[in-house]
Amino acid sequence: QLHLQESGPGLVRPSETLSLTCTVSGASIANSHHYWAWIRQTPGKGLEWIGNINYSGVTFSNPSLTSRVTISVDTSKSQFSLHLTSVAAPDTGIYYCARPTWDLRPFATFDVWGLGTMVTVSS
Amino acid sequence: EIVLTQSPGTLSLSLGERATLSCRASQSITHRYLAWYQQTPGQAPRLLIYGASSRATGIPDRFSGSGSGTDFTLTISRLEPDDSAVYYCQQYGNSVTFGGGTKVEI
Repeated sequence: QLHLQESGPGLVRPSETLSLTCTVSGASIANSHHYWAWIRQTPGKGLEWIGNINYSGVTFSNPSLTSRVTISVDTSKSQFSLHLTSVAAPDTGIYYCARPTWDLRPFATFDVWGLGTMVTVSS
Repeated sequence: EIVLTQSPGTLSLSLGERATLSCRASQSITHRYLAWYQQTPGQAPRLLIYGASSRATGIPDRFSGSGSGTDFTLTISRLEPDDSAVYYCQQYGNSVTFGGGTKVEI
């Protein structure tokens, strides 16, 4: 059974970089043609798609966040990661990793989600 | 960016009643690439409907979706206690965006 687990610091200081990792178990990113995604839920903007990445490192990101977002993949560990720079209070929220319903499509629905990890931006 | 506006903000209904939720897009959504999710407190969203009207795996037929272009509807017939949740629409025809949600209270 496919399982996604987010990990990373729960507290990040303003202006610093938020870094999270999603570990995929029950399937291998290396053998998948899915675009693995990051989605967040903040009090200010609700659910917001951050971006995604496939096994070969092709990425797409939300135009409103592109300048601050880097998504990377480590197929040997079946992990993908999110780095969000210059964070501020509005970046506080729950960060989810998710797998889209269909492979090969960068924009899709999401049928497998991690439990989410709460990240607070505060000094 | 396609902006999705959901209404009403909150819907208060009784067990067994029908719920009708609306999702309006700022521009036409291609190929009816519109989905609906259910989220209960402390949980990740759960996919209910994709392609505007196709039920995801394991979703009961009490949940149905309809619509095209810019106007879409999620209908929950015969409300049950577990249907209390926030419902979100999402479009995936042009990047990915979500609506602001409708809370259903039973």
